[in-house]
Amino acid sequence: AQSVTQLDSQVPVFEEAPVELRCNYSSSVSVYLFWYVQYPNQGLQLLLKYLSGSTLVKGINGFEAEFNKSQTSFHLRKPSVHISDTAEYFCAVSEGGYNKLIFGAGTRLAVHP
Amino acid sequence: GAVVSQHPSRVICKSGTSVKIECRSLDFQATTMFWYRQFPKQSLMLMATSNEGSKATYEQGVEKDKFLINHASLTLSTLTVTSAHPEDSSFYICSARGQGLVNTEAFFGQGTRLTVV
Repeated sequence: AQSVTQLDSQVPVFEEAPVELRCNYSSSVSVYLFWYVQYPNQGLQLLLKYLSGSTLVKGINGFEAEFNKSQTSFHLRKPSVHISDTAEYFCAVSEGGYNKLIFGAGTRLAVHP
Repeated sequence: GAVVSQHPSRVICKSGTSVKIECRSLDFQATTMFWYRQFPKQSLMLMATSNEGSKATYEQGVEKDKFLINHASLTLSTLTVTSAHPEDSSFYICSARGQGLVNTEAFFGQGTRLTVV
C-alpha cells in the first residue's frame, strides 16, 4: 500500500530565508508525486508534479522539488520565501496520475518578518 | 488552470437533517470527480470517485448510504450527507478531471465547511 510521510508538521522560517519541506513516500510500483498548497479555508492549488522525465521539477511561485527514487523522497524547496508563502503544504502520491491521490499529513509553513 | 466551483462554501445544519454540496466544473467537462474529507489539522482522505453516468466507487470505511454521490452530468457532481451528525462536521473538497489519460490534471474546488449542530 502507498503512504506519504511529511516529516515536519510545522516549519517556521524568516522572510527571504530558504526553506525545505520534506516528503517521503512508500510504494511498490512507479509513482506520480505532487505538492499542493492550501490557504486557510480554501481548496488545494497544485504547486508542481512529477510524472516522469527530469527528476528536478519546477513549479509555481518559485518552488521546486527533486524526485529521489533511491531515497523515496520528494522534498520541496524554495530559495527565498515570502510572507505570502505562509500556508499548509501537502505532498501526495498516486500510482495512476491524478486518480486516488494519497496525501501526507501536511506541513504548516509559517513565514515571519 | 481550469476552474472548479463548490457550493456552498460554508453550511451549518441541525443534527438529523441532510445537506447537499455541489461541485461544478466551469470551463471543462469533468468525466471524473473525486470527493475528499479533511478533519481539522489533518490531511485529505479520499471518500469516493465518481465517473459521469456511473455509480460512485467508495473507499473502504466510507458509508455509501450516508454520503450519497451523484454525477449525472459532465459538469456537476453532488455529495449529500444524509442524517448528518456532529461527527460529520468537516471540510469537504471535490476535485474534477477531464477526459484523457490518468495524468490529465485534476483541479480542486475551494471546499465546503460543514458544521452539524
